[in-house]
This record gives sequence, structure tokens and C-alpha cells, in this order.
Amino acid sequence: EAQVTQNPRYLITVTGKKLTVTCSQNMNHEYMSWYRQDPGLGLRQIYYSMNVEVTDKGDVPEGYKVSRKEKRNFPLILESPSPNQTSLYFCASSLGLAVDEQFFGPGTRLTVL
Amino acid sequence: KQEVTQIPAALSVPEGENLVLNCSFTDSAIYNLQWFRQDPGKGLTSLLLIQSSQREQTSGRLNASLDKSSGRSTLYIAASQPGDSATYLCAVRRLEYGNKLVFGAGTILRVKS
Repeated sequence: EAQVTQNPRYLITVTGKKLTVTCSQNMNHEYMSWYRQDPGLGLRQIYYSMNVEVTDKGDVPEGYKVSRKEKRNFPLILESPSPNQTSLYFCASSLGLAVDEQFFGPGTRLTVL
Repeated sequence: KQEVTQIPAALSVPEGENLVLNCSFTDSAIYNLQWFRQDPGKGLTSLLLIQSSQREQTSGRLNASLDKSSGRSTLYIAASQPGDSATYLCAVRRLEYGNKLVFGAGTILRVKS
């Protein structure tokens, strides 16, 4: 089944403890991105990747890192999480660029205490 | 800067009613527009994708139209059912915006049985 998977789905952590949220897609998509969703602010892009080893900042990149060493994986790294990073995170992918449908993962609900 | 607005913010209708959700965007130079459904605390399910050259797309009881020149899209749901209750999001995509999707705030739909 074609899908975008994220792990973990739920995570409660404490301030400053490094964490990684994994994202994987099995559709051979070139484009992948991360969004966060917050009440009243909607969905905002954090980082995106056009292909392997090509990443760039989205609208709200502060406090996050990403890497794209393989086409299928696009992990989101929080080196030193803070409470303002408590949010619902989504990974998305699409085959190529502008004209292609984007597919979203199931989401990761992160709480930073 | 691209802004996406969805009206109404919330809608409650009896089962069986036909309904229209509205989406407007400020920058008409988009590549495509995508409608999503989101159930509470869950991921985004893609409903319809309309390319900028298209006027409408249909899937089952759903029909989405696009008027790029006026910056508007509508999602028409025929014969609504309680299972249609969810938040509906529209998003536009343009390469210059980092290939991201710019989302509206959503319409919360409740279909009463």
C-alpha cells in the first residue's frame, strides 16, 4: 500500500531532550516536507526537500533540523525541544514538484513539558 | 504573500442536505489547489486535486471547482451523511513558495443524523 508513515505517533518529552521523528514514504517520491499544525495558526511548513541531499527552510524552521540521505526517509530532528514546539506534526510527500498531489502521513502529536 | 481563506468557519447541517464550502486565495498564480479532509486529531486525507488549467474535479459525491482568475474554489458535497463530519481544508501550491502548500484555516462540518 502506498503510504507515508511517521513514528512515533505520540510523544511526551521534556525540555532539552533531543528527539527525532521519522518519516518514510514507499512511493519513490522526490519531494518531502514537514508541517506543524497549531490551533489558530493552521498548518505551516517547517522544512522541505526536493531530493536526496537537497533541503531548504520553510516558514518556521527555527529549532528544527532535517536530513535527506535516502529518497524514502526524511527525519525531523529537534536538538533541544522547548514547550513552544508542542504541536501536531505532519510529513508529506509528492512525486515531483508543482503539479503533483501531496500525500500526508498520519501525524505525530508531540508534547514538550 | 499568498493567503487562503475558507468560509464558513463552521457549518452544521441535517443529513441529506447538499452543501458548499468556499475557499478563496489572494494570488491567482497557483499550480494547483487541493482539498483535504481531517478528522479530529488525525491526518489529512486528500479528497481532490485541481490543476490550474482545470475547472473542476469530481469524486463520488464530491465536486470541486476552480476559478483561478477570481481566486476561488468551491467544494460541493451532495447528499451529506454523518460520516462526512470532519474539518475540510483547502490548500494552494506554487513553486515560488518553496513548493509548499498554503492552507486555509478550514471549515468544520457537522452533519446531524
